[in-house]
Amino acid sequence: DTGVSQDPRHKITKRGQNVTFRCDPISEHNRLYWYRQTLGQGPEFLTYFQNEAQLEKSRLLSDRFSAERPKGSFSTLEIQRTEQGDSAMYLCASTLGGAGNTIYFGEGSWLTVV
Amino acid sequence: GQNIDQPTEMTATEGAIVQINCTYQTSGFNGLFWYQQHAGEAPTFLSYNVLDGLEEKGRFSSFLSRSKGYSYLLLKELQMKDSASYLCAATLSGYALNFGKGTSLLVTP
Repeated sequence: DTGVSQDPRHKITKRGQNVTFRCDPISEHNRLYWYRQTLGQGPEFLTYFQNEAQLEKSRLLSDRFSAERPKGSFSTLEIQRTEQGDSAMYLCASTLGGAGNTIYFGEGSWLTVV
Repeated sequence: GQNIDQPTEMTATEGAIVQINCTYQTSGFNGLFWYQQHAGEAPTFLSYNVLDGLEEKGRFSSFLSRSKGYSYLLLKELQMKDSASYLCAATLSGYALNFGKGTSLLVTP
């Protein structure tokens, strides 16, 4: 499978713990996005990378959230001191540069904070 | 979604045609996408419009009017498997692709 892959697919954690999600984009896709989605809502933009540079972050992204893409390939999203409100599906997406290129989504990582 | 509006729910009958509308702010607009999302799954790409007019792809068509900040997704010959959420998304400013809240379509027999 050469699609966008995310790991883990499901994570249950206790409030206050840190969690990290990994995303492997489609090979050679230089653009990578992280989104968060809760039930009944559309995906909410979190952050965007072009190669290894983080070019945009949502104002909604608190300082407990950090994302990296150290070599311009895979990316990680870490949430520190998790809260129950962080429970959501975290989606990663990738695309080649250029307007109109299809943005492909991974299957998502479900987070439940108890 | 940021300045992207679409109806919350729609119901249609198998075999019928349904039109899902989407309006968006025009400032900074750089293209409009439609995605389909089944419950618990990732969004999958349906269409992209950047110029005015209708793009047809089999049973699905998408229309765009840039001056009106308006798009619609047209689904023909509805099938039960078309029951899903349909997401309108646009690049409005910066790099982010901003999504609407999605329209939940229920296809009934």
